[in-house]
Amino acid sequence: DAKTTQPPSMDCAEGRAANLPCNHSTISGNEYVYWYRQIHSQGPQYIIHGLKNNETNEMASLIITEDRKSSTLILPHATLRDTAVYYCIVYDGANNLFFGTGTRLTVIP
Amino acid sequence: SQTIHQWPATLVQPVGSPLSLECTVEGTSNPNLYWYRQAAGRGLQLLFYSVGIGQISSEVPQNLSASRPQDRQFILSSKKLLLSDSGFYLCAWRQGVQEQFFGPGTRLTVL
Repeated sequence: DAKTTQPPSMDCAEGRAANLPCNHSTISGNEYVYWYRQIHSQGPQYIIHGLKNNETNEMASLIITEDRKSSTLILPHATLRDTAVYYCIVYDGANNLFFGTGTRLTVIP
Repeated sequence: SQTIHQWPATLVQPVGSPLSLECTVEGTSNPNLYWYRQAAGRGLQLLFYSVGIGQISSEVPQNLSASRPQDRQFILSSKKLLLSDSGFYLCAWRQGVQEQFFGPGTRLTVL
């Protein structure tokens, strides 16, 4: 019961921005949007999270629409090492994280 | 800083054999602990979580069990492995409303 919808795969040219969309139309007011990524054969890695406002850290930016029904993770300058499966999760901080199947991002040289 | 360990990193076991995977966390107290399984090409499936010593909640009924004998130790077990138990097993911890941190995983192949 992932509560999010993501495209199964995307390609991005190396050095360009990667924009990964996520729909979460049933998100509740107290639920955050979290993004993780999983590089092959490794555990998922936390990227960023937000509630209403756009967020930025050293890894990525998170843009959340005003109605909070969708968001976009932006990797500003994709590198080959950013090739991974990216998971978008809605989370209220109390229940457990439920991972969907995510978006497989392939960065092309 | 907090770290999470899992072992072994890889494991090949015959059908019907027992299983014990261990996860330990350092640098935090009273974390929530989680076991996930990821089958090949699939998303993560939550198997068990624990909010304290001896407290285990099961998300999916199956032939696996979990135990938490110490605050920062989480063990995944089976008495008799099935072929369908093959997968990538991930332990994770979380404290409060912080993000969840994952261990390096154990790749289990049941033959």
